Amino acid sequence: EVFLLESGGGLVQPGGSLRLSCEGFGFTFNNNAMSWVRQVPGKGLEWVSTITIDGGRKEYADSVKGRFTISGDNSKNTLYLQMNSLYVEDTAIYYCARGLDGYNLLFDYWGPGTLVTVSS
Amino acid sequence: VIWMTQSPSLLSASTGERVTISCRMSQDSRGYVAWYQQKPGKAPDLLIYGASTLQNGVPSRFSGSGSGTDFSLIISSLQSEDFATYYCQQYYIFPGTFGQGTKVQIK
Repeated sequence: EVFLLESGGGLVQPGGSLRLSCEGFGFTFNNNAMSWVRQVPGKGLEWVSTITIDGGRKEYADSVKGRFTISGDNSKNTLYLQMNSLYVEDTAIYYCARGLDGYNLLFDYWGPGTLVTVSS
Repeated sequence: VIWMTQSPSLLSASTGERVTISCRMSQDSRGYVAWYQQKPGKAPDLLIYGASTLQNGVPSRFSGSGSGTDFSLIISSLQSEDFATYYCQQYYIFPGTFGQGTKVQIK
């Protein structure tokens, strides 16, 4: 059975940093693109970042470019999102999501999410 | 960037009704369109991709149609478990943009 589990969320002050993790189970990590998608509670979905198969390419939303870094550790089947220089507007539930087959942005499995709150 | 406009934002319907949700894009996404269902407190679930292909395990009362820049999600006979929020998404190019969402609530 395939599932994903995020961790690392919490309360952080503006300007601070946080690293999110997402462990994958039931599949081989480097066979799929992996992404982060966020959602302000009660609002819509916003794509944040994707690392393509084998980590060959990393893409970011303009809103996080230069502040967030996506990476993966295939030996641990774990995806990371290093978030620096956090803004209040980064407050959201962060989901990791697996790309279906060879697609980078089509998400067939999602984790339950981890809440990041940026506040003083 | 491909912008997505979903309508309506709120839809009130009764069990057994046929409902249609629309999604219009700012440019052609070559049919790389997906629909997701999200229930409160849960992550989204993939329903449809390639505009009309049902994901494994999704009931056949869900269907998708469209081409070019206009797409639709149809629920042929609304069931109690279908009351949720639905999002369209294009996965043709980065960034993978989502529609604003359509909340389907009980009439």
